[in-house]
Amino acid sequence: DQQVKQNSPSLSVQEGRISILNCDYTNSMFDYFLWYKKYPAEGPTFLISISSIKDKNEDGRFTVFLNKSAKHLSLHIVPSQPGDSAVYFCAGRGSQGNLIFGKGTKLSVKP
Amino acid sequence: GAGVSQSPSNKVTEKGKDVELRCDPISGHTALYWYRQSLGQGLEFLIYFQGNSAPDKSGLPSDRFSAERTGGSVSTLTIQRTQQEDSAVYLCASSLVGTGEVKNIQYFGAGTRLSVL
Repeated sequence: DQQVKQNSPSLSVQEGRISILNCDYTNSMFDYFLWYKKYPAEGPTFLISISSIKDKNEDGRFTVFLNKSAKHLSLHIVPSQPGDSAVYFCAGRGSQGNLIFGKGTKLSVKP
Repeated sequence: GAGVSQSPSNKVTEKGKDVELRCDPISGHTALYWYRQSLGQGLEFLIYFQGNSAPDKSGLPSDRFSAERTGGSVSTLTIQRTQQEDSAVYLCASSLVGTGEVKNIQYFGAGTRLSVL
């Protein structure tokens, strides 16, 4: 039973345009949602998070939106840059503090 | 150190052998997590240590897997009688503990790539 789903395994975007990465979840008990970015041969690095009581959090070019009624969140990157090319993981934080990850979306930003 | 350190970075072993993977968390972080990423899969939670509490082992896939954390710092993940399906990248993360967003950020090491032949 996948509690966190990233249904798009890959996404290709032109430099300067908006990248939208989507994530769906089934567990209503998650209290935080986090996005991590992962480059090859490196560990995931934290990008941005959002509390389950908020609907938007913004940090520079990155904005995360949360729609609790739809159990859906999205990460917007504007404008997209070639250095943003990586695998993006969405995660929900469980009651023990452990993160439950989706399978990731590989973002490619073309110059 | 400045970040989470894992060793070795790569490990090749033969089926049936035991392996030990090491994680050195960020100094002061009381929570430590092990995950693994199999090919084409997301990050799978394995085990969680928090201070002196009993670890949450709910994610360990079989009794061949065990982990310990000595002195509340360094952790070792042991896989006994390795199988080919154990091949994956094993990732360790650490974090502070508490309420609020700042406390729940987990910082990951670069991982150990385990290949079981």
